[in-house]
Amino acid sequence: GDSVTQMEGPVTLSEEAFLTINCTYTATGYPSLFWYVQYPGEGLQLLLKATKADDKGSNKGFEATYRKETTSFHLEKGSVQVSDSAVYFCALSAPRSGAQKLVFGQGTRLTINP
Amino acid sequence: ETGVTQTPRHLVMGMTNKKSLKCEQHLGHNAMYWYKQSAKKPLELMFVYSLEERVENNSVPSRFSPECPNSSHLFLHLHTLQPEDSALYLCASSQAPGQINNSPLHFGNGTRLTVT
Repeated sequence: GDSVTQMEGPVTLSEEAFLTINCTYTATGYPSLFWYVQYPGEGLQLLLKATKADDKGSNKGFEATYRKETTSFHLEKGSVQVSDSAVYFCALSAPRSGAQKLVFGQGTRLTINP
Repeated sequence: ETGVTQTPRHLVMGMTNKKSLKCEQHLGHNAMYWYKQSAKKPLELMFVYSLEERVENNSVPSRFSPECPNSSHLFLHLHTLQPEDSALYLCASSQAPGQINNSPLHFGNGTRLTVT
């Protein structure tokens, strides 16, 4: 079945460091890919998305490129801030899974130290 | 009130209790979802309602019973739960349930449930 695998956390970085959180997926067909973020005590918020191969999603300085050849959607940010501390979830939506169904990875906890 | 509101924020219940979780969305969406978030596990989709009809039930035990009286409200009725049901229960909503790629899910802040 469809699945998403994220790098295990927790990830701890210093402010202004470069961030990469790896995400790979398995799906039949051509899924759409998402990154969601969950700040402490809150629900998930959509951070960015990409709906087809080679698309780049971006928001708040974060970027991720849909790589069909490597089935990956790695999240990157050039200079992280303390306020980026949160849990990040990679997810896919594939036609075979049903239009309403998002499949999530297990989440990666990110902590940024000042 | 903004977005998706869930009550209560925290709930502690015994295994013989009956309780309900409530979710209300103020976004004019027509699809609503229940997800379960357990420690160190991916989010698990439990139920999906589209236009007040249940369209997905992911093999959830019958001790969880959803109810969607209208497109703005969603409930999760709980009875005779087990300690392993302790988790964060997240409600979400979206527009156009058949076009999720163009309609992101909006999540509530969740109900932290502890079963003793």
